[in-house]
Amino acid sequence: GDSVTQMEGPVTLSEEAFLTINCTYTATGYPSLFWYVQYPGEGLQLLLKATKADDKGSNKGFEATYRKETTSFHLEKGSVQVSDSAVYFCALSDPEASGSRLTFGEGTQLTVNP
Amino acid sequence: DGGITQSPKYLFRKEGQNVTLSCEQNLNHDAMYWYRQDPGQGLRLIYYSQIVNDFQKGDIAEGYSVSREKKESFPLTVTSAQKNPTAFYLCASSTYMGQSYEQYFGPGTRLTVT
Repeated sequence: GDSVTQMEGPVTLSEEAFLTINCTYTATGYPSLFWYVQYPGEGLQLLLKATKADDKGSNKGFEATYRKETTSFHLEKGSVQVSDSAVYFCALSDPEASGSRLTFGEGTQLTVNP
Repeated sequence: DGGITQSPKYLFRKEGQNVTLSCEQNLNHDAMYWYRQDPGQGLRLIYYSQIVNDFQKGDIAEGYSVSREKKESFPLTVTSAQKNPTAFYLCASSTYMGQSYEQYFGPGTRLTVT
């Protein structure tokens, strides 16, 4: 079945550092890919998405490019802020395999220090 | 504003009691979901419903029950048969976006059973 693997956390960075959170996937169909963010004590918010190969999703300074050849969707940000501290989840939607269910990675905790 | 409402934010119960968590959405989405999240962990799917009056078990349905009598509402009952009910519970709904499903989450209910 489909699966999503994220880099193990937690990740700790200083403010203004460059961020990469790795995400790779396996899928039987042709999935769409998502990054969600969860701030402490809250629900998940959709951060960005990409629906086909070479698409780049972007939002709030975060970017991720759908790489079919490497089955990856790594999240990047050029200069993180303290307010970016949160848990980040990579996810995929593969309706042919899973209908309306999404497959989530385990999440990566990011802490940004001043 | 369209969105997903979960109430209450915090819920406390004694062991042996059933408890029902509320989830309401006004996004006109057909599909709704319940997830469980334990500290430092990812999401685990409890139940989901793709249409009114129909629902399917997720990965950890034992000790839980749901109903879907209205499109807007998908309440979750945590029964006394659930061995470790203390957790953060997230409700979500989704819509088909042409190639994939996008899920939108509520703010969550933190259940503590003592």
